[in-house]
Order: sequence, then C-alpha cells, then structure tokens
Amino acid sequence: QSVLTQPPSLSGAPGQSVTISCTGSNSNIGAGYDVHWYQQLPGTAPKLLIYANTKRPSGVPDRFSASRSGPSASLAITGLQAEDEGDYFCQSFDSSLSGLRIFGGGTKLTVL
Amino acid sequence: QVLLQESGPGLVKPSDTLSLTCNVSGYSISSGFYWGWVRQPPGKGLEWMGSIFRSRNTYYNPSLKGRITMSVDTSKNQISLRLNSVTAADTAVYYCVRDQALGATNWFDPWGQGTLVTVSS
Repeated sequence: QSVLTQPPSLSGAPGQSVTISCTGSNSNIGAGYDVHWYQQLPGTAPKLLIYANTKRPSGVPDRFSASRSGPSASLAITGLQAEDEGDYFCQSFDSSLSGLRIFGGGTKLTVL
Repeated sequence: QVLLQESGPGLVKPSDTLSLTCNVSGYSISSGFYWGWVRQPPGKGLEWMGSIFRSRNTYYNPSLKGRITMSVDTSKNQISLRLNSVTAADTAVYYCVRDQALGATNWFDPWGQGTLVTVSS
C-alpha cells in the first residue's frame, strides 16, 4: 500500500477535463514537501510531467497543471486527448526516514 | 541531452544477486546530482529503491531491508545496483533515474528506458 493515495482509475471523454488527486499525511505533503507528477504512456518509461508542485518542464503542454494544498495535491488535465491515456503517478518526500522518496499508487486514465 | 541506459541479466535465480548497470551519457556524473533506481513490478506502481551522490551519500528504501547496494564509477560514467537474496517479488522493470534533489525536495528526470528482470529458477 502506497504512502500517497491516488484513485486507481479515472476516465473522461476527449475535450473534457479530469483531476487526479494525491493524498498524503503530515510527514510528507502535509509537512510542506513538494509534489511531482509523472506520466507513463503504455509501454514506455515514466516521464516527468510536473515538478515542484506547479512547474511544467519544457515541452509539457499547458493543458497539464497541478496544485498542492495541505496534505493533498492534484493534477488537472484539460482538453483531454487520446494520447493522454496512460498512468499518472505523484511523488514526494517523506520525513519519517532520512532521504525517503515516496510514490503514489498511480492512476490509470482512460480516454473514452 | 542526458540519456540513461540500463543493462544487465534479464533472468536471475531466486536467492541470487541482481546486478544492473546504468550508463549515463550527455552529463558527467562526477559533476553533481543524485542518481537512483526506481522499479516497477509488472502491472503495478513505482517503487523508489535508492539514490546515490558521488559515492559519498546514499539513501536506500528501508523496505529493501539491507539487501541493496548502489555504487558509482565516475571513470565509466556509470551507476550500479546490486540487490541480494532476490525472490519472485523482485521481478520488475528497473529504471535508472537522475534524482534532482534540491534541499528537501527531489524529482526524477530523466528516466532510462528500463530493463525487465525476472526472478525465476
């Protein structure tokens, strides 16, 4: 069981918007540690999508945005496209043990 | 452009040691950054295994219970992973990553393409 909780699956029609949540605790997100998001398209390695809560690496469309509040974070995808179908993972830092990096369990996004 | 390429045996016997190497190109690992390993069992989520900085600082996931050792070879610009006493539960795709640690935050970018390691007799 992952330290960060994500919904196992979500779906949306092309053009619609979806939001993926990532819920942590007072030892990770709630302690103020940054949240990062990764996109894993079918059969490929994960790719950094959002870092430091809200920042998009070069080349990531502005359809992807994220926020953090309290012990939770969320990733919003607007104008869903077929190529957005895949798995999305959140990641943060946990203070329970020095240097501990943690992932959410992942959310499988289906574009209907 | 920084590229990471994992290599190693695709099949390991139970109780043996899993050994993987990650070749880094486009960046000298002696220049900085942490480097790490993340694995993903088939059909499951991601698990951070550990990160290393210039052979000086290492952080390991406590779930690996002392079975893991990471090292850096700056002459070859490579990072290595050793995982002892493997079981079927260690069957996974293993990814090499640059761990962009900055104070009390970090993110993984870029990722290698991954290499599947199966533990089976």
